[in-house]
Amino acid sequence: DADVTQTPRNRITKTGKRIMLECSQTKGHDRMYWYRQDPGLGLRLIYYSFDVKDINKGEISDGYSVSRQAQAKFSLSLESAIPNQTALYFCATSDPWVANEQFFGPGTRLTVL
Amino acid sequence: GENVEQHPSTLSVQEGDSAVIKCTYSDSASNYFPWYKQELGKRPQLIIDIRSNVGEKKDQRIAVTLNKTAKHFSLHITETQPEDSAVYFCAASQGDYKLSFGAGTTVTVRA
Repeated sequence: DADVTQTPRNRITKTGKRIMLECSQTKGHDRMYWYRQDPGLGLRLIYYSFDVKDINKGEISDGYSVSRQAQAKFSLSLESAIPNQTALYFCATSDPWVANEQFFGPGTRLTVL
Repeated sequence: GENVEQHPSTLSVQEGDSAVIKCTYSDSASNYFPWYKQELGKRPQLIIDIRSNVGEKKDQRIAVTLNKTAKHFSLHITETQPEDSAVYFCAASQGDYKLSFGAGTTVTVRA
């Protein structure tokens, strides 16, 4: 089945380290998104992309960067991780020509010590 | 930007009873309102959505109502079952991509 996958699923890192989270999809969707989930705050949009090389800031982009080098891959980077970036991170995809639904990956739990 | 408020934050219901979750939004230009369900340890999944040109939509035991004038929308779950226990998120957007989510409602269905 076509799916959205994320690597790693869990990551513990230290303050100041650079870290990259990867998202891959086999759904053939053009649109991809990165969200973070924090208890009591819901899901907040970090960045989104409509196509290869297209990058748009979301609600909380400070401290993050992204790369969309291929239709199927969307990477999220934390250049210098800090403890308040500890969260559950989700990638999502959508194809507006088919339906409005966003399909989420399984999530990456990131802990910054 | 859009601000979505969701109430209640937790909801406990007896199996078979109904559950209602309410959301308000701030941007009158928002025209797309999805609801996502997230089971424990799982990814969020769309359960129902509504556009601003429709006042109500139903899919089996779930329904969503929208009041554009008051800028609020609600999720109704009837005849609740144990598998309805999850966190539910409402969201709003102008268009269907830049979603602003509510903080979530944890629903527990008691047997």
